[in-house]
Amino acid sequence: NAGVTQTPKFQVLKTGQSMTLQCAQDMNHNSMYWYRQDPGMGLRLIYYSASEGTTDKGEVPNGYNVSRLNKREFSLRLESAAPSQTSVYFCASSEEAGWGLANNEQFFGPGTRLTVL
Amino acid sequence: AQSVAQPEDQVNVAEGNPLTVKCTYSVSGNPYLFWYVQYPNRGLQFLLKYITGDNLVKGSYGFEAEFNKSQTSFHLKKPSALVSDSALYFCAVRDRTGANNLFFGTGTRLTVIP
Repeated sequence: NAGVTQTPKFQVLKTGQSMTLQCAQDMNHNSMYWYRQDPGMGLRLIYYSASEGTTDKGEVPNGYNVSRLNKREFSLRLESAAPSQTSVYFCASSEEAGWGLANNEQFFGPGTRLTVL
Repeated sequence: AQSVAQPEDQVNVAEGNPLTVKCTYSVSGNPYLFWYVQYPNRGLQFLLKYITGDNLVKGSYGFEAEFNKSQTSFHLKKPSALVSDSALYFCAVRDRTGANNLFFGTGTRLTVIP
């Protein structure tokens, strides 16, 4: 049981390049999330998917797109990378689906460290 | 709107001494509250959560947290700190409707001094 896996672990991009961060979970969770972590700012939610087939914007969605490929996989795409997107990106998953199930903890992947030059 | 405050960026404590990492929150209605820990170059790991019932919540690795509704606080505590407890700790809050997602504090770096 690998939990939440992310690829790649590290990536360096030039301004304007595009890339996709991959995330997969093997816990049969309904909900998946993408966060970015910046020094002194904690974790901020970029996008989430409450259940397969749905995606919604979080706190900081600009410059990103997501795809919930199936129940296991949730990818994050940067279409035209900017230096402001230099960050550590975490994917997470939880069991919940729908209102009334908001008390489930989230399980996090190991992160992707992205540098945009 | 939800918010979480972790007033201390850094907490230092001697090994064997009790530790406290502070967290206060703001949310509409009653909250769900969580503590997570992050070790270097790792993702966040769940420590404990408050849902309802007993205000003292016990979690992993000997940690506990006390929910105080009147002070809107959820401080993390441990009776005797270990060097291996040194890490970054995050408090998070969510309202019970589920209409808003989990909101994290900015984190507190705990250093346990041998």
